[in-house]
Amino acid sequence: KAGVTQTPRYLIKTRGQQVTLSCSPISGHRSVSWYQQTPGQGLQFLFEYFSETQRNKGNFPGRFSGRQFSNSRSEMNVSTLELGDSALYLCASSLAGSGGFETQYFGPGTRLLVL
Amino acid sequence: KNQVEQSPQSLIILEGKNCTLQCNYTVSPFSNLRWYKQDTGRGPVSLTIMTFSENTKSNGRYTATLDADTKQSSLHITASQLSDSASYICVVSVRSGANNLFFGTGTRLTVIP
Repeated sequence: KAGVTQTPRYLIKTRGQQVTLSCSPISGHRSVSWYQQTPGQGLQFLFEYFSETQRNKGNFPGRFSGRQFSNSRSEMNVSTLELGDSALYLCASSLAGSGGFETQYFGPGTRLLVL
Repeated sequence: KNQVEQSPQSLIILEGKNCTLQCNYTVSPFSNLRWYKQDTGRGPVSLTIMTFSENTKSNGRYTATLDADTKQSSLHITASQLSDSASYICVVSVRSGANNLFFGTGTRLTVIP
């Protein structure tokens, strides 16, 4: 069974631009969560989608948004990029999500550099 | 405030030696605690998950312990190998509510020959 895939793997943008990241979960998984990882802050939760609906949301500004499609694939969008948005963005999928006892399977991440 | 703190921040050990990583949390109400291993440039991979009633759980050379009374967990690595070089992240989940996963900032382990 294929793992979680994320595209692109690397991205360079300039301040003010917007970016869209894509995540394909493991087949059969309906929950997709997004995280931002920086050296100083560690992993921080962005949001979780389940059955095309945003179920949970972290403490990030409205510039960060996402969506999930009927095939469970998810996209994350960041508008008006700032230097501080440079990070590794990780996507994780699970069967039904919401923490609990399910294991989340992480993708390799998209490394975003904002210049 | 729900927090997860890990120590040490970084650790260097010789190949073949043992080491122990610590995770202290103030998360409540506690549901479970997980340890993840994250290789450089890759996403985290789950090592163990422990519930309130479990004190010890092993996964090969990795042994996790949990003391729910003191809200402490440790990850012990036996006979370390070069491939153990990675970041180890402790994640604690609560029993209800949104944003119910709390992440530590990780311990960076480097195993040298």
